[in-house]
Amino acid sequence: QKEVEQDPGPLSVPEGAIVSLNCTYSNSAFQYFMWYRQYSRKGPELLMYTYSSGNKEDGRFTAQVDKSSKYISLFIRDSQPSDSATYLCAMSERGGGTSYGKLTFGQGTILTVHP
Amino acid sequence: KAGVTQTPRYLIKTRGQQVTLSCSPISGHRSVSWYQQTPGQGLQFLFEYFSETQRNKGNFPGRFSGRQFSNSRSEMNVSTLELGDSALYLCASSSDPNTGELFFGEGSRLTVL
Repeated sequence: QKEVEQDPGPLSVPEGAIVSLNCTYSNSAFQYFMWYRQYSRKGPELLMYTYSSGNKEDGRFTAQVDKSSKYISLFIRDSQPSDSATYLCAMSERGGGTSYGKLTFGQGTILTVHP
Repeated sequence: KAGVTQTPRYLIKTRGQQVTLSCSPISGHRSVSWYQQTPGQGLQFLFEYFSETQRNKGNFPGRFSGRQFSNSRSEMNVSTLELGDSALYLCASSSDPNTGELFFGEGSRLTVL
């Protein structure tokens, strides 16, 4: 079983829809949670970064972390065709030792928003 | 502010050859990490450097190595290339390696024939 599980999709939604992307994890040492967006043939772009349980909002994006359930989510409101990309969740343990520079990624969810 | 720069962007090698990839981090970032991305395995951590020292290493064979220079620029080398080394190699930099907040470059796409 992988440390981080993410439904690879693909997910196809109409423009304006609310998108929900999710990841579950098994390692209780994970303390930092991130969502990256990756366009085709590009590197991952950091979208959201959270540390504690709860919600964090940035424009049309909301990241949610539930450490008790080991579950994180990313919501995209009013989705646009330009949001079409692969979305990767990533997690890391508290700094030090074997955690330096190491993120554990989900497999990524391919999202297509059609006009 | 310039992002993470990786060179070359694309390269083709044959089995048995070696390859060197270069990464220039965001100005002021002293931590550089390397990842391999493949369709089957996704993004996997290779190693991390800070102040010219390798502090962390993933589960890759010794054919994969790296180094960091005093200006924080980093290189990674893969020797005796195998077909399975074909991948997108991504470099990421961070101002605070304790938090896991990494900023990635666009990657070097390696094809091994």
